[in-house]
Amino acid sequence: TQLLEQSPQFLSIQEGENLTVYCNSSSVFSSLQWYRQEPGEGPVLLVTVVTGGEVKKLKRLTFQFGDARKDSSLHITAAQPGDTGLYLCAENSGGSNYKLTFGKGTLLTVNP
Amino acid sequence: DAGVIQSPRHEVTEMGQEVTLRCKPISGHNSLFWYRQTMMRGLELLIYFNNNVPIDDSGMPEDRFSAKMPNASFSTLKIQPSEPRDSAVYFCASSFTGLAGVTKGDTQYFGPGTRLTVL
Repeated sequence: TQLLEQSPQFLSIQEGENLTVYCNSSSVFSSLQWYRQEPGEGPVLLVTVVTGGEVKKLKRLTFQFGDARKDSSLHITAAQPGDTGLYLCAENSGGSNYKLTFGKGTLLTVNP
Repeated sequence: DAGVIQSPRHEVTEMGQEVTLRCKPISGHNSLFWYRQTMMRGLELLIYFNNNVPIDDSGMPEDRFSAKMPNASFSTLKIQPSEPRDSAVYFCASSFTGLAGVTKGDTQYFGPGTRLTVL
């Protein structure tokens, strides 16, 4: 089973700052998903990246998939308090299309 | 549109008691997943149903855990007897799987979870 490492584990910043969080593995990802989980809620899918080097943008969020498909990053520009939450990356594990392996996440707090 | 519905949202019980968690998937979805989330282990898949049939239950931790899906609109996860180490947030998620089977990147929609505390 592929182990996903996310860093940092915790991040507390002020509104308006930029930040980057990371998801890494020793093995190649077939595809990678990023989720945001708000307090008291379930994870919500933000994006799926499939191709090495791929960059996707979702408003102030930029997702990058490493060329070797062993790492990914999420960059948030001008963070807002509404961005507060647990950011999880997930990968289809064991050759299965349905079985997602999740990292433990980065808990982001954006202070007003 | 209603999302995935889970009940109860919070459950506090004593060790040894039976606990039943309930899930109503999104209408029209034919795949259903039960997950458990803890600080130590993160989010883990417990069991996966497709068209009401259990496909993969390899994540179910012990025989104390059982899950059923009697119809397309309802599933239960039962723990009997419950133990303090079962304390966690349990999520149900659903998705639509086409005839070709689940494809990478199929969106799973998660419910709000049930926070279980076993004393």
